Amino acid sequence: ETGVTQTPRHLVMGMTNKKSLKCEQHLGHNAMYWYKQSAKKPLELMFVYNFKEQTENNSVPSRFSPECPNSSHLFLHLHTLQPEDSALYLCASSQDGDINEQYFGPGTRLTVT
Amino acid sequence: GQNIDQPTEMTATEGAIVQINCTYQTSGFNGLFWYQQHAGEAPTFLSYNVLDGLEEKGRFSSFLSRSKGYSYLLLKELQMKDSASYLCAVKDSNYQLIWGAGTKLIIKP
Repeated sequence: ETGVTQTPRHLVMGMTNKKSLKCEQHLGHNAMYWYKQSAKKPLELMFVYNFKEQTENNSVPSRFSPECPNSSHLFLHLHTLQPEDSALYLCASSQDGDINEQYFGPGTRLTVT
Repeated sequence: GQNIDQPTEMTATEGAIVQINCTYQTSGFNGLFWYQQHAGEAPTFLSYNVLDGLEEKGRFSSFLSRSKGYSYLLLKELQMKDSASYLCAVKDSNYQLIWGAGTKLIIKP
């Protein structure tokens, strides 16, 4: 069983809604990641946090806002999304920011209507 | 630009052997990963190669040639549960992971 959990597993939201995705890791890792996975496309790295500090923001639109209150929890706040933002959002963690083996959560399937 | 190429889909027969290729063009190289992802589930780590050669782990083996920018994942004695997508990823000179789009492997009885 994975040590990374994500809630909710499925989310349908309108373009004017505000929602948040939650990720929690129980592995004692110090780095956490948000990825976007769209059908038949490579994983897109969105944000990286290492020891609670954001170290990577890959030109992600401001309608996605991450929050990392501690090294075990990671949030992705969503507001005024577009239909093209519909995708699987994966959270991952690793021991530290020097990426070796990453542990992924099951993802949140997001549909924007 | 940086690029990872792998076939979109492959089909193989239960009990057989299949080789999934991955070629890469990246700014530097600090290791190559293979992950398995079953439909609707999280990717799970399979292997990590940083030196040339073959790494064997049970039914799965991963090969790397840095001079050719090439890797393959070899799956032996295929089982139905091996039906999944296989993701190749390279860690570049900035220690960023560059991902391929994945190869969907279909196993037939």
